[in-house]
Amino acid sequence: DIQMTQSPSSLSASVGDRVTITCQASQDISNYLNWYQQKPGKAPKLLIYDASNLETGVPSRFSGSGSGTDFTFTISSLQPEDIATYYCQQYDNLGTFGQGTKVEIK
Amino acid sequence: QVQLVESGGGVVQPGRSLRLSCAASGFTFSSYGMHWVRQAPGKGLEWVAVIWYDGSNKYYADSVKGRFTISRDNSKNTLYLQMNSLRAEDTAVYYCALGFDIWGQGTMVTVSS
Repeated sequence: DIQMTQSPSSLSASVGDRVTITCQASQDISNYLNWYQQKPGKAPKLLIYDASNLETGVPSRFSGSGSGTDFTFTISSLQPEDIATYYCQQYDNLGTFGQGTKVEIK
Repeated sequence: QVQLVESGGGVVQPGRSLRLSCAASGFTFSSYGMHWVRQAPGKGLEWVAVIWYDGSNKYYADSVKGRFTISRDNSKNTLYLQMNSLRAEDTAVYYCALGFDIWGQGTMVTVSS
């Protein structure tokens, strides 16, 4: 089974800050990686697919990069509405999720 | 528009069974693979099962293999998850998902005596 290691588990940043989350796969998954945003009581929302492609309607301050085993998710300028938990997920083989990163405003 | 609506959740005793349903609309259901994903209270997301568009292939997480069965009825645009031998650790919100693009609102399953 493919394991996904996501870090950090939580972070606190100021409005306007650049925020970076990393995700590492236990084996090569090419670019079969999604990034999701989940707000309390809501279903996850797909933000990035194929590691770096922005889902339609998602603000351009969100971006993703990487391939193989190492991936990065970035919010270029943190906004109050970005407070949420973010998850990576590989779909090269079924659909393992990372542990999640809770993003808070400092 | 594309919509997924889960139902069938509730409170059930350990060892009992429950069947979840996911009603799909707004797209050609019979053309897409479908997933179940769950989230225990205060925890992260866990992929549970997938079924191919025609039901020909099904795969499960190790945590539910042998106890849960995913199925679909393309004539009714409905996805199912039959959950047997339920355990306390199966307590979670269960989501159905179209590919991984579109998700339902979830249905809560609580396994407790």
